[in-house]
Amino acid sequence: AQSVTQPDIHITVSEGASLELRCNYSYGATPYLFWYVQSPGQGLQLLLKYFSGDTLVQGIKGFEAEFKRSQSSFNLRKPSVHWSDAAEYFCAVGAMNYGGSQGNLIFGKGTKLSVKP
Amino acid sequence: KAGVTQTPRYLIKTRGQQVTLSCSPISGHRSVSWYQQTPGQGLQFLFEYFSETQRNKGNFPGRFSGRQFSNSRSEMNVSTLELGDSALYLCASSPLTNTGELFFGEGSRLTVL
Repeated sequence: AQSVTQPDIHITVSEGASLELRCNYSYGATPYLFWYVQSPGQGLQLLLKYFSGDTLVQGIKGFEAEFKRSQSSFNLRKPSVHWSDAAEYFCAVGAMNYGGSQGNLIFGKGTKLSVKP
Repeated sequence: KAGVTQTPRYLIKTRGQQVTLSCSPISGHRSVSWYQQTPGQGLQFLFEYFSETQRNKGNFPGRFSGRQFSNSRSEMNVSTLELGDSALYLCASSPLTNTGELFFGEGSRLTVL
């Protein structure tokens, strides 16, 4: 079955510390992989995506993620967290299937990030 | 460029009623998807529309339906509301059907009493 697992429900880090949010996926086809961020009362904003090519992808707000096919993982990282990064982060997987439905993303349950001053 | 607009932002209904939610995608986007977000189940795909055709549907009962108009605006309808339908309903638009990148609105928060 297709699924996305984010093992950490809630993470607290100190401002300025590094961050890594874990994501593991199970998907039959070659996946598109995404990280989205949601601030309270807001919709989701795309941080970065992986379709193919270089397995280390850069996103907005200083985030990066590394695709590891052998581990079925797509972990999100940031070297130095800012207080404004406090939000909920969602990993998602979709199909690399041109002409198919691309709006059907499978999301993980999310990881809530709190930032200590 | 205006983002995805969802109306209404908040609404309260009682069990048995029906509700219609509206979504205006980003100009030029022809694909619109709907998701339900709840604390227990997370984000779940409802359906996707492209050029007025439903391309895919998630695992929801027939009480959940949608449509897309020729201007790409979309509506979703939930009939015979149940308490469990209380959720944030998110609409997302996409410029193409093969990129997977979605642009989300802020959602319509439905409370069923």
